[in-house]
Amino acid sequence: ELKVEQNPLFLSMQEGKNYTIYCNYSTTSDRLYWYRQDPGKSLESLFVLLSNGAVKQEGRLMASLDTKARLSTLHITAAVHDLSATYFCAVDMEDSGAGSYQLTFGKGTKLSVIP
Amino acid sequence: DSGVTQTPKHLITATGQRVTLRCSPRSGDLSVYWYQQSLDQGLQFLIQYYNGEERAKGNILERFSAQQFPDLHSELNLSSLELGDSALYFCASSPFAGTGYSPLHFGNGTRLTVT
Repeated sequence: ELKVEQNPLFLSMQEGKNYTIYCNYSTTSDRLYWYRQDPGKSLESLFVLLSNGAVKQEGRLMASLDTKARLSTLHITAAVHDLSATYFCAVDMEDSGAGSYQLTFGKGTKLSVIP
Repeated sequence: DSGVTQTPKHLITATGQRVTLRCSPRSGDLSVYWYQQSLDQGLQFLIQYYNGEERAKGNILERFSAQQFPDLHSELNLSSLELGDSALYFCASSPFAGTGYSPLHFGNGTRLTVT
């Protein structure tokens, strides 16, 4: 069974500071996704990481993937209040024989950026 | 706006009852996925349909069932409801049966409250 672990689960940080969220997973996969969810809202896709060493950046967020370590990181640079949300990583497990796939999500990291 | 439409937004019902949640995928998407989000279990994959056929099953209870119709909309039926079924139910869609190396696009969810 694929397990996806995020840490920390809760993160309170001051505006202007940097921090990293970690996502470990238990099986070989070279496809990892990061999503953002605002309270009571839908999940918004942030990054798609498709190979070892992949790095994607959007604004103050940067995501990377190390498939050998089975680790992805989401780095936050100079946090601002608007980044307050819950961030999920998800790993896909494709069953090519059945022609299906499913995303397994981590429990999410609830980020609060304090002015 | 992801293009995935879910109705209703909110549903309040009593234990033992049956409800139907509806999802219309993005235009052109053939796969529909159902996820359950609760505080204690996080985001759990329930089931995937592709072009009318069931493709993958996750942690879906026997009391729950789903189908995808010829027009590609999907319905999730929840019966003999229990208090523990209270959760946010998301539908997501993608163009492919397998991963296609693209993220899933999520609807805004249906919040189910069982009293």
